[in-house]
Amino acid sequence: EPEVTQTPSHQVTQMGQEVILRCVPISNHLYFYWYRQILGQKVEFLVSFYNNEISEKSEIFDDQFSVERPDGSNFTLKIRSTKLEDSAMYFCASREPGTSGYEQYFGPGTRLTVT
Amino acid sequence: LAKTTQPISMDSYEGQEVNITCSHNNIATNDYITWYQQFPSQGPRFIIQGYKTKVTNEVASLFIPADRKSSTLSLPRVSLSDTAVYYCLVGDIWNSGGYQKVTFGIGTKLQVIP
Repeated sequence: EPEVTQTPSHQVTQMGQEVILRCVPISNHLYFYWYRQILGQKVEFLVSFYNNEISEKSEIFDDQFSVERPDGSNFTLKIRSTKLEDSAMYFCASREPGTSGYEQYFGPGTRLTVT
Repeated sequence: LAKTTQPISMDSYEGQEVNITCSHNNIATNDYITWYQQFPSQGPRFIIQGYKTKVTNEVASLFIPADRKSSTLSLPRVSLSDTAVYYCLVGDIWNSGGYQKVTFGIGTKLQVIP
């Protein structure tokens, strides 16, 4: 069964550093998403991406965040200057066209630790 | 987005059937009911979705009464590996051109006991 993959599984970085989290969505999916989950809290939506542009973003997704689909397979989330409060699990998700908006496939996540 | 209410936690013994009920009194005509499952330290996983009556797949069954103000996720004969958080979501799944985000609540933490 096709899966969403994410790398790295765990990233440790110092405050103020830039990080790039990578995702490979399922190959025929065209809708892409990033979510995050701070330890012990809810899964929170960050951004949705379709047709090479952001379709929606949350208030969490400020100017420090950006997303990119640099080629036909990868989808990345960049945090320019990390803060302690960015420590969380970051999940990438993708969805196939023609399926319901809630039928999203999530990756295993990248645990980001900011020290 | 319709507000949902589900138990914060449930315990069940292995081999039992587990029913998790979700209340959604203000569900709208175009809203569907969707359930996700999240194992510890993993991403959420879509498990089932329905509009009315009953839906069944290889993982679970979803029962939706005629008034649609609640729904019940049924897991047959649970095992230890079914220990997870289960999220009930209600919304118009065909809205917004398909971009829509999934808004998760705190879910129901199911603990399966040997």
